[in-house]
Amino acid sequence: QKEVEQNSGPLSVPEGAIASLNCTYSDRGSQSFFWYRQYSGKSPELIMFIYSNGDKEDGRFTAQLNKASQYVSLLIRDSQPSDSATYLCAVTGAGNMLTFGGGTRLMVKP
Amino acid sequence: NAGVTQTPKFQVLKTGQSMTLQCAQDMNHNSMYWYRQDPGMGLRLIYYSASEGTTDKGEVPNGYNVSRLNKREFSLRLESAAPSQTSVYFCASSVPDGTRPQHFGDGTRLSIL
Repeated sequence: QKEVEQNSGPLSVPEGAIASLNCTYSDRGSQSFFWYRQYSGKSPELIMFIYSNGDKEDGRFTAQLNKASQYVSLLIRDSQPSDSATYLCAVTGAGNMLTFGGGTRLMVKP
Repeated sequence: NAGVTQTPKFQVLKTGQSMTLQCAQDMNHNSMYWYRQDPGMGLRLIYYSASEGTTDKGEVPNGYNVSRLNKREFSLRLESAAPSQTSVYFCASSVPDGTRPQHFGDGTRLSIL
């Protein structure tokens, strides 16, 4: 069974710090990896996606992928209170279907 | 540009009632999806439609039916609602190659008493 695992949190970081969110997946055939942010009561919105091993940076966000370890992470630099949300990791496997993790709740304290 | 539009936004049903959740997208995407989200469980795929005219079961299809009315519209029907179907339902769309992200509607919050 395909699984995507995330620590549910909450992960609490002070304003200005780096938040590190982690995700592991079980399907070695997974090819595409997505991070979505979801504010309470709202729909998921795409933050970043990554396909290749290594790092991908977009502003304050960096996605890191290690296919050998089946591990993908999201770093948020200079965390702001507005970054407080649930972050969902999603992985595409066979049949191009997305499997979502349960999400990590991030709290950034002023 | 509305993206993915879901109706209704909120609904309360009694056990045994039926209803249809509507979804429409204006991004010319071939693929559309229905998910449910329960607390602490992320999103689980109910049904999807890879292209107009096709539908397939996802992870949790029991108790639901879908119709891909045309390229824009994908509806989800609960024939006989049960309290276990109380959830937030999201519709999404994407290009079908699996490398592009899915775009989500605002969700329908459904309570079944």
